[in-house]
Amino acid sequence: GAGVSQSPSNKVTEKGKDVELRCDPISGHTALYWYRQSLGQGLEFLIYFQGNSAPDKSGLPSDRFSAERTGGSVSTLTIQRTQQEDSAVYLCASSTTTGTGTQYFGPGTRLLVL
Amino acid sequence: EDQVTQSPEALRLQEGESSSLNCSYTVSGLRGLFWYRQDPGKGPEFLFTLYSAGEEKEKERLKATLTKKESFLHITAPKPEDSATYLCAVQANTGANSKLTFGKGITLSVRP
Repeated sequence: GAGVSQSPSNKVTEKGKDVELRCDPISGHTALYWYRQSLGQGLEFLIYFQGNSAPDKSGLPSDRFSAERTGGSVSTLTIQRTQQEDSAVYLCASSTTTGTGTQYFGPGTRLLVL
Repeated sequence: EDQVTQSPEALRLQEGESSSLNCSYTVSGLRGLFWYRQDPGKGPEFLFTLYSAGEEKEKERLKATLTKKESFLHITAPKPEDSATYLCAVQANTGANSKLTFGKGITLSVRP
C-alpha cells in the first residue's frame, strides 16, 4: 500500500519568507509526527498529533513554527519568517496507535533557506 | 532526559567482513528500542523493534540485540548494498507522547 508522502520534496526560499510543508500519512494511521534532521545531527522531534487530542508541541524550537492536522489526516508544518538555521530535512512519520506502534517515515522535505 | 549515543560514527568494511554497531541509551523507562536504515536522500526505513533486555531479532544479514543499557546491530557477511546510515532510537513509556529520541546514526560503507 501507499506509504507516507511529503511535498514538496525540495524547497529553496529566501530568509524571512514563510514556507508550508505537507504530509500525507498512511491511511488509517491515527498518530502523526514531525521531526527535523539537520546536517550532522540526529532526528529531532518537533510535534505530535494523536487522533482528536490536542497536539504535543513540546519540540517546536520557536513560535515561528506551527503545525495543524485537518480531519485527522493531512498535516501541514508552517515556518514563518524563515532563518538560515531552519535549513534541514523535515520528516513526517505516522503510526497506527500510540504506545509501541511502529513509526513509518516519509521521504522528507529538504528545506534550504538562503 | 532520554539520550542515545551511537558508535562508531562511521564504519568501513570489506564485503564479507562481519561487525557490530553499538547503540547506548539512557531512558526513564523503555517502551521500545528501534533500528532504522536511512539511504542518502531518503527517509528512515524501519528495521526492528526490541522491547526488553535479552530480546533478539533477525532479518537477512542483520541481527539486533538488547541489554538494559545498549543495543547492538550485528551485520554478518555484509554486501555493498548494506551501505547506509543506521539509526537507533528509543521510546519512553512515560506520558502520552510516543516520540522517538534518536542517536546521530552510524554511516556504514561496505567495499566490494
